[in-house]
Amino acid sequence: QVQLVQSGTEVKKPGGSVKVSCKTSGYTFATYPISWVRQAPGQGLEWLGWIGTYNGNTHYSEKVQDRITMTKDASTKTVYMELRSLRSDDTAVYYCGREYFDWISNYGMDVWGQGTTVTVSS
Amino acid sequence: VIWMTQSPSLVSASAGDRVNISCRLSQGISTYLSWYQQKPGKAPDLLIYAVSTLQSGVPSRFSGGGSGTDFTLTISGLQAEDVATYYCQQYYAFPRTFGQGTKLEIK
Repeated sequence: QVQLVQSGTEVKKPGGSVKVSCKTSGYTFATYPISWVRQAPGQGLEWLGWIGTYNGNTHYSEKVQDRITMTKDASTKTVYMELRSLRSDDTAVYYCGREYFDWISNYGMDVWGQGTTVTVSS
Repeated sequence: VIWMTQSPSLVSASAGDRVNISCRLSQGISTYLSWYQQKPGKAPDLLIYAVSTLQSGVPSRFSGGGSGTDFTLTISGLQAEDVATYYCQQYYAFPRTFGQGTKLEIK
C-alpha cells in the first residue's frame, strides 16, 4: 500500500538546521509531487512548500523561502526538507503529503506521513 | 496569495445533528478544494477532494459543496467519532493555503 514514512524526532538549538526525510513506497515515485506542512503546538496547518518528484522543481512559502530547501533522491524514493537558521517558533510537527491526481481530478494531499516533531530550544 | 476564511472556529453539536462548516476564499479556484479531518495527535486525513468527491472509505454522512469562492463541508447525522478538527485547503495555486480550522465537539 502507499506509505510515507518520516524520520524521527529532532531537538535542535536556535540557529541550527534540521533535515527531515520522507520515504515513499507503494507507488511510482516520480509521478506525484510532495508537499510539506507543519503544525505548531495548538495551532492550525501551515503549508511550507512543494517539490515535483519528476524534475525536482520547487515552490516555497514566502514565510520560510530564505531558509528552506526541499530535495529528492529518486534512487531511494525519498524526499527531504531542510530548514536552517532555526528559531523557537519553528517548533512544530512537520508532515509530508503526496499530492495525488488522476485523469479525472486533482485530489490534494491523499496520503500523509506520520509527522516528525521538531523542537527548537536552547 | 489566496486567502481562506474558515468558520466557525468552534462548533458544538449533539449526536445526530447536521453541522455545516464554511470556507470562503479571496478568489475563485475552480474545483481545486479539499477538506481534511484531523484527530488529536494524528496526521490529517483527506475527506473530500474536488469540492464534493468523497475519498474512498469516507462515510456518506460527509458531503461537500459550493462554487466560486464559497464552499461548505456538511456532516449529516453527527456521530461521536466525528470529533476532530476540520480544515479546508486550496490546491489551485501556489502557495497552497489552508483554512484556520474548525474544532468540532459533541455536546
